Amino acid sequence: SYELTQPPSVSVSPGQTASIACSGDELGNKYTCWYQQKPGQSPVQVIYQDTKRPSGIPERFSASNSGNTATLTISGTQAMDEADYYCQAWDSSTVVFGGGTKLTVL
Amino acid sequence: QLQLQESGPGLVKPSETLSLACTVSGGSISSRSYYWGWIRQPPGKGLEWIGNIYYSGSTYYNPSLQSRVTISVDTSKSQFSLKLTSVTAADTAVYYCAREGGGGGGSGFDSWGQGTLVTVSS
Repeated sequence: SYELTQPPSVSVSPGQTASIACSGDELGNKYTCWYQQKPGQSPVQVIYQDTKRPSGIPERFSASNSGNTATLTISGTQAMDEADYYCQAWDSSTVVFGGGTKLTVL
Repeated sequence: QLQLQESGPGLVKPSETLSLACTVSGGSISSRSYYWGWIRQPPGKGLEWIGNIYYSGSTYYNPSLQSRVTISVDTSKSQFSLKLTSVTAADTAVYYCAREGGGGGGSGFDSWGQGTLVTVSS
């Protein structure tokens, strides 16, 4: 079965750039989405179709997808961005989530 | 504004069947543009996709759960439902329903319910 691998945790200082990687076999040939989940809340989509931001998502959220790796980038990271982030892709009509990355802003 | 609301028992006994419903409001469950999905999250763990359904009844399931899962849709009630049979403690999780834009087209799950915790215990 298809797998997406994320680092368990990433730390970033306020105002700096955070990058969260998601790796999978030939992931660049698949569409990838990203979700933000804060404690006790439902996930919120922050990126779809590899690079697009839904309405209401700040411009500091961006993403890329090439080769075997998709990357979520948060520029000028703020304390409110501290959350778990999940990548998601499709493989043969099934949906696959990465294991999630806890972003700590310190 | 689209809203999704999960409903169902919060406690299920081992070996029994977990049944949940998701009521869609503020939008049409019969839209040809969307699929409707179930995702779960065990306490302290990550997201796991359970399956999707189209308004016509076409379904797609997680292969690891396929033998125990049935997702159905009732357009007259604007609801879609999840049944998971032979549950064990490993099925204890927050269960989310969500809308997906067109399966495989890259739109992803753009709207989520608040989630409901289901505990499997005797």
